[in-house]
Amino acid sequence: DTAVSQTPKYLVTQMGNDKSIKCEQNLGHDTMYWYKQDSKKFLKIMFSYNNKELIINETVPNRFSPKSPDKAHLNLHINSLELGDSAVYFCASSLMGEQFFGPGTRLTVL
Amino acid sequence: GEDVEQSLFLSVREGDSSVINCTYTDSSSTYLYWYKQEPGAGLQLLTYIFSNMDMKQDQRLTVLLNKKDKHLSLRIADTQTGDSAIYFCAESDRDDKIIFGKGTRLHILP
Repeated sequence: DTAVSQTPKYLVTQMGNDKSIKCEQNLGHDTMYWYKQDSKKFLKIMFSYNNKELIINETVPNRFSPKSPDKAHLNLHINSLELGDSAVYFCASSLMGEQFFGPGTRLTVL
Repeated sequence: GEDVEQSLFLSVREGDSSVINCTYTDSSSTYLYWYKQEPGAGLQLLTYIFSNMDMKQDQRLTVLLNKKDKHLSLRIADTQTGDSAIYFCAESDRDDKIIFGKGTRLHILP
């Protein structure tokens, strides 16, 4: 009964490919987020969705596009992958301020 | 497993110092972090400390680390109304995963 799940856990792909990371939460939360974790383990917010509406987009390249088919899902699609996209991507959901994070997806671009 | 504990609420008068405390369990953590979440926003990195340091000061912020007791604190001098937010303590575990506390809600009294 995982609260926030992400797939895949690991993703290794070639430069230039298009890939998606899926996120699902079964907590009934209204707000979901995507974060990118850099090499120093700093988490930087990429997107926030509240009831399927985008409410934050922190200067992320437009190769990254979040897609929310419903309140429980927020998927991250990345076009034309670049070496610098290699990182760990975390999905999270929140209610009343407490954030629940997924396990992370480690993306490696070769 | 790894755990990060912090008190859920703190009320401070404007102009006083705020001290938010945190305890963690993973002694192998490389970095320890403080994140701030303002209403309606995602987590933003406030400051961090490398595990071989005892103290780090950055303008109004002072981070103290007692590695023996696994205790981390964040002191905000001259607390302002704009400091009202949720403050998350976090550590990186031995698998490089970030473990967050539940957040301390800082309320500023006039």
